[in-house]
Amino acid sequence: GQNIDQPTEMTATEGAIVQINCTYQTSGFNGLFWYQQHAGEAPTFLSYNVLDGLEEKGRFSSFLSRSKGYSYLLLKELQMKDSASYLCAVSDSNYQLIWGAGTKLIIKP
Amino acid sequence: DAGITQSPRHKVTETGTPVTLRCHQTENHRYMYWYRQDPGHGLRLIHYSYGVKDTDKGEVSDGYSVSRSKTEDFLLTLESATSSQTSVYFCAISDSEDSGSPLHFGNGTRLTVT
Repeated sequence: GQNIDQPTEMTATEGAIVQINCTYQTSGFNGLFWYQQHAGEAPTFLSYNVLDGLEEKGRFSSFLSRSKGYSYLLLKELQMKDSASYLCAVSDSNYQLIWGAGTKLIIKP
Repeated sequence: DAGITQSPRHKVTETGTPVTLRCHQTENHRYMYWYRQDPGHGLRLIHYSYGVKDTDKGEVSDGYSVSRSKTEDFLLTLESATSSQTSVYFCAISDSEDSGSPLHFGNGTRLTVT
């Protein structure tokens, strides 16, 4: 079967750095997405990785290792507004998105 | 932001009644999707459309039907609602089936079936 694993919840301190991991087992791989979802709102696109390595976008970076079936989202200089759920999704061999259950990130002052 | 509107935003209905949720887009995107989101689960695809009158089933399509008579509108119908269909429903659009094309989501419909 296809599976995406993420931690259910993480807590971090304002101004710090946090890394949210995602491991996947899918039939084929056509890229990995990260989305941010604030409580009661729609998911919004953060990043896309299809090749191994690190992609940086401001305070957010996303890393992919296809051989390990592993990705992480790195958030630097955490702000209170970063409190949200972070969703990992993999595009499989049929270009269907397989979604993880999401990681709820709690930021404390 | 992509122009996607879902209606209604909230709905309470009784078991056995029909319910239709509407998704309207102003982006002229070809691909439209209906997902449901439940605690402890990832987003699950119900149905999707790749053009007018072209639709296909997702992984949790039982009990749901869809129609797309115009590019801008994608309707999701629960023919006879059940309590297991209590959920938050999201519509999403994309302009390409290419693997790197992100989805843009509507604000969701919270449906409660009593």
